Amino acid sequence: EAQVTQNPRYLITVTGKKLTVTCSQNMNHEYMSWYRQDPGLGLRQIYYSMNVEVTDKGDVPEGYKVSRKEKRNFPLILESPSPNQTSLYFCASSLREGLRGEQYFGPGTRLTVT
Amino acid sequence: DAKTTQPNSMESNEEEPVHLPCNHSTISGTDYIHWYRQLPSQGPEYVIHGLTSNVNNRMASLAIAEDRKSSTLILHRATLRDAAVYYCILRDVLNYGGSQGNLIFGKGTKLSVKP
Repeated sequence: EAQVTQNPRYLITVTGKKLTVTCSQNMNHEYMSWYRQDPGLGLRQIYYSMNVEVTDKGDVPEGYKVSRKEKRNFPLILESPSPNQTSLYFCASSLREGLRGEQYFGPGTRLTVT
Repeated sequence: DAKTTQPNSMESNEEEPVHLPCNHSTISGTDYIHWYRQLPSQGPEYVIHGLTSNVNNRMASLAIAEDRKSSTLILHRATLRDAAVYYCILRDVLNYGGSQGNLIFGKGTKLSVKP
């Protein structure tokens, strides 16, 4: 089954404790991205990657890092989480050509930073 | 990307058709019209997209006005599972600068389906 998976689905952590949210897709997609969703602000893109070893900032990259060492994986790293990063996070992927078409989203990771 | 305007909420009865409108009066000639939906506690899900002609797929139909300044997502027979927030999004396929894959989600239309 074609899918985007994220782990963990729920995470509660404390300020400053480094964490990684994993994202993996099994569709051989070149393009992957991370969004965060906050009430009243909608979904906003954090980082994206056009292919292996190619990443770039989205609209709200501060406080986040990403890496793309393999095509299927695109982890989101919070080196020193803060409470304002409490949010619902979604990973998405598509074919490069699919920028004109469909993006597939993961189920989401709900992060709480205390 | 050009902006879209959608009603905040709509209601429908189960098994009746639903027409979800979207206005995009500043649409450019290279903007595709995309629709996504987000069910409660889930990630966004692609529904349909089109450029000029009406489009049909297994989930829905997309009717695009002749001047392309508006479009309508049509769910032919609403089910309880169709209750979600529906987003109308414009994608400029010629905009390869910056974060070209970024989907700009507005507030969308919250669709409620009554049994």
